[in-house]
Amino acid sequence: NAGVMQNPRHLVRRRGQEARLRCSPMKGHSHVYWYRQLPEEGLKFMVYLQKENIIDESGMPKERFSAEFPKEGPSILRIQQVVRGDSAAYFCASSRDFEAFFGQGTRLTVV
Amino acid sequence: GIQVEQSPPDLILQEGANSTLRCNFSDSVNNLQWFHQNPWGQLINLFYIPSGTKQNGRLSATTVATERYSLLYISSSQTTDSGVYFCAVERNYNQGGKLIFGQGTELSVKP
Repeated sequence: NAGVMQNPRHLVRRRGQEARLRCSPMKGHSHVYWYRQLPEEGLKFMVYLQKENIIDESGMPKERFSAEFPKEGPSILRIQQVVRGDSAAYFCASSRDFEAFFGQGTRLTVV
Repeated sequence: GIQVEQSPPDLILQEGANSTLRCNFSDSVNNLQWFHQNPWGQLINLFYIPSGTKQNGRLSATTVATERYSLLYISSSQTTDSGVYFCAVERNYNQGGKLIFGQGTELSVKP
């Protein structure tokens, strides 16, 4: 039973480019969550999605960040016009029966 | 919002030693999980433990929900136990994934 799958594992973008991060939840899980981990810090919640719906985006920056979880395919976290401060590890989690499981993360570096 | 405090922030042990990590939270919670982030950045589920006591091999955890704390015990530590241990809680029923993380305890086990 595959776990939460994220890709790519590492992503390098120049300032001003777009970053697209993908997440496939565990089989049978329909709730997806995105988190960001800045260096030397804990994880911070960004957004909670179910299929085709954003349930809670209270942790998302107001500009340049968006997320979707389409009916078919993985969840996507999109960062437009990246800046150096967006460099971080981005984790996706899915949950069932109130226990969350995390993917291996995407490490975004903005140069 | 709810505050999650972990102690100690850093811990250095000799292989074979035992340790206790603590997590305090400022309000009642419906979900509490312990994670181990290994040196490669991967988040590994240790316990889903909103209350009570659980054991898994050399690790065990206890949550006393009425007193708002949880303890993680590591016995006979090994070098592979090194990494950061996070406690994370959820205040409301959001299917388990909208977690608030503590700042972590960084554990280093020396051979």
